[in-house]
Amino acid sequence: DVKVTQSSRYLVKRTGEKVFLECVQDMDHENMFWYRQDPGLGLRLIYFSYDVKMKEKGDIPEGYSVSREKKERFSLILESASTNQTSMYLCASSGGGGGDFGPGTRLLVL
Amino acid sequence: QKEVEQNSGPLSVPEGAIASLNCTYSDRGSQSFFWYRQYSGKSPELIMSIYSNGDKEDGRFTAQLNKASQYVSLLIRDSQPSDSATYLCAVTGDYKLSFGAGTTVTVRA
Repeated sequence: DVKVTQSSRYLVKRTGEKVFLECVQDMDHENMFWYRQDPGLGLRLIYFSYDVKMKEKGDIPEGYSVSREKKERFSLILESASTNQTSMYLCASSGGGGGDFGPGTRLLVL
Repeated sequence: QKEVEQNSGPLSVPEGAIASLNCTYSDRGSQSFFWYRQYSGKSPELIMSIYSNGDKEDGRFTAQLNKASQYVSLLIRDSQPSDSATYLCAVTGDYKLSFGAGTTVTVRA
């Protein structure tokens, strides 16, 4: 089974802080994704990557950036955290089929 | 127009009945189609994949795909209380994996 891990389950940050969310997968998958999930809004795609050093904007990239220096690791960066970025962040990886998700990071920005 | 749309629900079905979930997508170039189940407080888990027109059955689950109508559905037969969850439809195209907002299903004992 694919194992996707995320660096933190819960995170509390202050407005204006730079925030790093890490995601690591152990199945050599090419594709990795970052989503945020909010009540009533479903899963919204922030960024995705189909290869090392490649990244593509998803549907809501504003205020976020990503880094993929190694195949197994995909990092989401909140350049200057704001309260409207309080959310559940989910990472997924895929070898071409459906994605497998990590446990999620619940981020609270105060 | 959203890329992936699902009937909003919530859907309440009695135990033993069939639950029917529907999904439409906007991109005709979409290549692969998935159904995920998400329990409250948990991450989504993949339960069905379908890649070509027709039906695909896996246990009590049947996925149906009609590319001409840009329509995907999921049937849950003999619904059990453990099927109570939110079901998410997902579609891929050009490496992008997009999700619908989900349909919450409650199975009444």
